[in-house]
Amino acid sequence: EAGVAQSPRYKIIEKRQSVAFWCNPISGHATLYWYQQILGQGPKLLIQFQNNGVVDDSQLPKDRFSAERLKGVDSTLKIQPAKLEDSAVYLCASSLVGGPSSYEQYFGPGTRLTVT
Amino acid sequence: AQTVTQSQPEMSVQEAETVTLSCTYDTSESNYYLFWYKQPPSRQMILVIRQEAYKQQNATENRFSVNFQKAAKSFSLKISDSQLGDTAMYFCAFKGGSEKLVFGKGMKLTVNP
Repeated sequence: EAGVAQSPRYKIIEKRQSVAFWCNPISGHATLYWYQQILGQGPKLLIQFQNNGVVDDSQLPKDRFSAERLKGVDSTLKIQPAKLEDSAVYLCASSLVGGPSSYEQYFGPGTRLTVT
Repeated sequence: AQTVTQSQPEMSVQEAETVTLSCTYDTSESNYYLFWYKQPPSRQMILVIRQEAYKQQNATENRFSVNFQKAAKSFSLKISDSQLGDTAMYFCAFKGGSEKLVFGKGMKLTVNP
């Protein structure tokens, strides 16, 4: 079974530029998560989708971050304009819906973003 | 709001020894799940072990076991017979009724040959 795919793996941009990350979850996983992991900290949830609807985006800085999940499969996370403090690893995860299996999240390799 | 605390930022252990990673959490919920995730230097987060709060029996997965103390809100991970491949960041995480996974800050474990 293929895991969660993310691209790009690394990205370096200047502040005020825009950037987009892509995630393809495990086939059949209806729930998709985007996390931000700043160096030395645990991941912080930015947004959670179930199919193509948003379940939780309470910690997403909506003035500069946006995310979408068209057709309930792939997802993109965009930052525009980027700030220095956005430097982090952006992790995508997916899980099933319903039952005990829904509590296990499977993570992708992440995208390391450096804003200069 | 739930919080997860990992008070030890870093530990090292010799190969084949046993090590215990500590985690405490705070919640007013009675039904929840606790997890230990491992993040090797390659950055892919991997689930190590899961504990359901309603289960009294501590979870075990091969060399990994937990000591779950619900009243004390403590959830420690024991790694037996440590291997070089266990070197990684370890994150304790909580998931309650809100479905949101809340992580601790992590602990860097180094297994030395």
